[in-house]
Formats: sequence, structure tokens, C-alpha cells
Amino acid sequence: AQSVSQHNHHVILSEAASLELGCNYSYGGTVNLFWYVQYPGQHLQLLLKYFSGDPLVKGIKGFEAEFIKSKFSFNLRKPSVQWSDTAEYFCAVNNYNNNDMRFGAGTRLTVKP
Amino acid sequence: NAGVTQTPKFRILKIGQSMTLQCTQDMNHNYMYWYRQDPGMGLKLIYYSVGAGITDKGEVPNGYNVSRSTTEDFPLRLELAAPSQTSVYFCASRPSGEAYEQYFGPGTRLTVT
Repeated sequence: AQSVSQHNHHVILSEAASLELGCNYSYGGTVNLFWYVQYPGQHLQLLLKYFSGDPLVKGIKGFEAEFIKSKFSFNLRKPSVQWSDTAEYFCAVNNYNNNDMRFGAGTRLTVKP
Repeated sequence: NAGVTQTPKFRILKIGQSMTLQCTQDMNHNYMYWYRQDPGMGLKLIYYSVGAGITDKGEVPNGYNVSRSTTEDFPLRLELAAPSQTSVYFCASRPSGEAYEQYFGPGTRLTVT
């Protein structure tokens, strides 16, 4: 069964620092890839997604992610974080041929003002 | 439109009680999903449905049941509540086709004591 690994449980940064959150998945076939964000007390919202085409994907709020097929990775990046980016971030993978979406355990990001 | 709505927002159950978590979407999405979210574990898929009358098990279906009699509604039933079912439950939906992300509801926080 496919699985998703997020390398960091909790990341603490100061404002203006750069961010990279790791995500690796185990499935070898064609996949759709997602990053979702959950702000405190809220439901999950889509940050960005990759289905095909340019492996560098740009999302909302200045986030981007790069799909590296050879490494089974889809890392999330932001050049300069803000206090309002404090949230939990989830990587998710959907096998192209079925409906079983798998989520990583999440990375909690705390940005200090 | 309201998107994905869930009721109730909070519920406390005693062990052995039963209840139904309601989920409704007004986007005419064929695909609907139920997840549970536990701290440090990410989201686990309980059940999903690809259309009215069709449901299938996800990663953690034991102790739960679902039905899908209409496109709009996808209720989740707990028959004999157990402390292990204490969690936050999220419902999600998406359109048919491969290139779509899931839209999430606000969640139901359930405590079983």
C-alpha cells in the first residue's frame, strides 16, 4: 500500500526565514500530489497540487513545491515565512488509478514574530 | 454555496452508544470521503464513495459504517462507540475525474468516555 512520509514533526522558524518541508511517498506508479494546510481550529485547505506537466508547482501565499520523480519526493518551499504561516502542513498522495488518498502525519510549523 | 458541511461540531459519547455524523455537500460532487485525524498521525481514510449507492472501505473502516443514498449526503455511523474512536472526523468531496483536489468540511470533534 502506498504511504507518505513527512520528515519533520515540528519546525520552528523566525519570520523571514526560508522554509522547506520534506515529503516522500512510496507508490511507484502515476500519482497526484498535494499539500494541504490546516490553520489552528480550521479545516484543511489546498495549498497546491501536482497532476502533470511542470514539476515546479506554485501555490497560494507564495508557496511552491517541486516534484522529483526519481526521488519520490514533493517538498514544499517558501522563501520567506510570515507569522501567519503558523499552521500544520500535510502532504498527500493519490494513486492515479484509485480513490485512496494517503496523507502524511503532518508537520507543525511555528513562526516566531 | 456552502461547500461541505458537517454536524455536529462537537459530541461526547459514552462507551457503547451509537451516533451518526452528518456530511452534506452542495457542489454536486460524486466523490465523498470520511477521514479521522489523530494527533501526530495525519488523516486516515475510513470510507469513501464514488457516487450514490456505491461505497468502499478505506484504511481504517473497522467500527464504522456508511451509506450514500443521495449525491449530497454521506453519513458516517458509529454503532458501538469505543474510546479508540475519540478523534476529529473530516468529511471531504471532489468532482469526478482525475485532476481534482478534495474539499474538506470543518470537522466533528468526538470524545468517547
